[in-house]
Amino acid sequence: TQLLEQSPQFLSIQEGENLTVYCNSSSVFSSLQWYRQEPGEGPVLLVTVVTGGEVKKLKRLTFQFGDARKDSSLHITAAQPGDTGLYLCAGPLLGSYQLTFGKGTKLSVIP
Amino acid sequence: EAGVAQSPRYKIIEKRQSVAFWCNPISGHATLYWYQQILGQGPKLLIQFQNNGVVDDSQLPKDRFSAERLKGVDSTLKIQPAKLEDSAVYLCASSLRDPRGTQYFGPGTRLLVL
Repeated sequence: TQLLEQSPQFLSIQEGENLTVYCNSSSVFSSLQWYRQEPGEGPVLLVTVVTGGEVKKLKRLTFQFGDARKDSSLHITAAQPGDTGLYLCAGPLLGSYQLTFGKGTKLSVIP
Repeated sequence: EAGVAQSPRYKIIEKRQSVAFWCNPISGHATLYWYQQILGQGPKLLIQFQNNGVVDDSQLPKDRFSAERLKGVDSTLKIQPAKLEDSAVYLCASSLRDPRGTQYFGPGTRLLVL
């Protein structure tokens, strides 16, 4: 059973388009983190959201944590080829410190 | 600041052979993690060290996998004997104190078992 479900699994869009990827669970998380992983590299942390309903912005990326702390979304405005990569969400379940990862969304931005 | 170093970057072995991976965490980071990332999946924690002690190895297949962190710095992960299903990227990560802190990942070792 996958604790964190990410959708879509694959996404291919044109440069300049907007997109949203989702991370859903039936379990409550203490916090959720979003990572980007490029081929041949390890994941790099983009953001951590902690409070239910929290919204964080990182340039063209907007991250939202659900009110019940069971889901999160990542919205990218005017996608660039440099946004291409595997986007992973991860978090510790309530009461745990261990990170559980989703399978990721593989994003391709075509110039 | 130097990042997490891992070697080798790639390894191809035949099933039933042995293999070892090495990780050097960021200087001063007390916590070290080994993750397994199978193609199309997210990373899965295998083992977590706090200094040179094991904190969590509940998902480590102990019949074939072993890991150590001597002197609380570098770490090695060994597979003996390897199976086809062990083909994956093995990621090492470190954090300053514990999982509440940011984890920094190395580039990984890509293992192919034939």
